Amino acid sequence: LAKTTQPISMDSYEGQEVNITCSHNNIATNDYITWYQQFPSQGPRFIIQGYKTKVTNEVASLFIPADRKSSTLSLPRVSLSDTAVYYCLVADTDKLIFGTGTRLQVFP
Amino acid sequence: GAGVSQTPSNKVTEKGKYVELRCDPISGHTALYWYRQSLGQGPEFLIYFQGTGAADDSGLPNDRFFAVRPEGSVSTLKIQRTERGDSAVYLCASSIGRGSGANVLTFGAGSRLTVL
Repeated sequence: LAKTTQPISMDSYEGQEVNITCSHNNIATNDYITWYQQFPSQGPRFIIQGYKTKVTNEVASLFIPADRKSSTLSLPRVSLSDTAVYYCLVADTDKLIFGTGTRLQVFP
Repeated sequence: GAGVSQTPSNKVTEKGKYVELRCDPISGHTALYWYRQSLGQGPEFLIYFQGTGAADDSGLPNDRFFAVRPEGSVSTLKIQRTERGDSAVYLCASSIGRGSGANVLTFGAGSRLTVL
C-alpha cells in the first residue's frame, strides 16, 4: 500500500510563503501526485498535480524530486482564506489513498 | 451535471436501520469513488467503480456495506443494520478515468450520516 506522511499542522501569517512536504513510498511508476484542499463541511478540492520536477499553476507550485519519494506543495503569499486541510494523494493501483492531511492555519 | 451531487446532505437514523446514500457524478466520468471521513481524519477509501463494475471494493469495512452503479452513472451506497460507528461524512468523487493525469477527482459535498 502506498503510504504518505505529512506534518499534522502548520501555522503561517498572511503574505508568507508556505511549503508543505509529503513523503510517499511505493508510488506506482506511472502515477501522479495530486494535492487537494479541504474546507470544513466541503469535499476536497483539486489544487495541483505533477509527475516529476516542478509544476506551477495560478494557485500553487509543486516540487517533486527525481526519486519521487516526496513532494512539496508551495503556496505563495497565503491569505486567511487559505486556512484549510491540505492532502497529498498518490495512486496505489486503483485505490487512491489520501495522506493524513496538514491543517494549515493562517493568521492575520 | 456541472458537479458531483450527493443526496441526502444529512441523514439521521437509528441504530439497526437501513440507509441508502446516492451519488450523481459528472456526466461522462467513468470512474466513481466512495470515501468515508470521520471528524478530524482524512478521507478513507471505500470502493471504486470503473463503469458499472466495482474495480476495487477492498475498503468496504464489512458486509453491511454495499454499493452499486447499475448503469455506469449514478451510484448508491447501501448500509444495512447501521451502527453508531458508521456515523461519518460519506464522500463521493468522480473522474474521467484511470491513466495518466486521471487522478483528478471531483468531490461532492458529502452526505453526513448520524446513527443514534
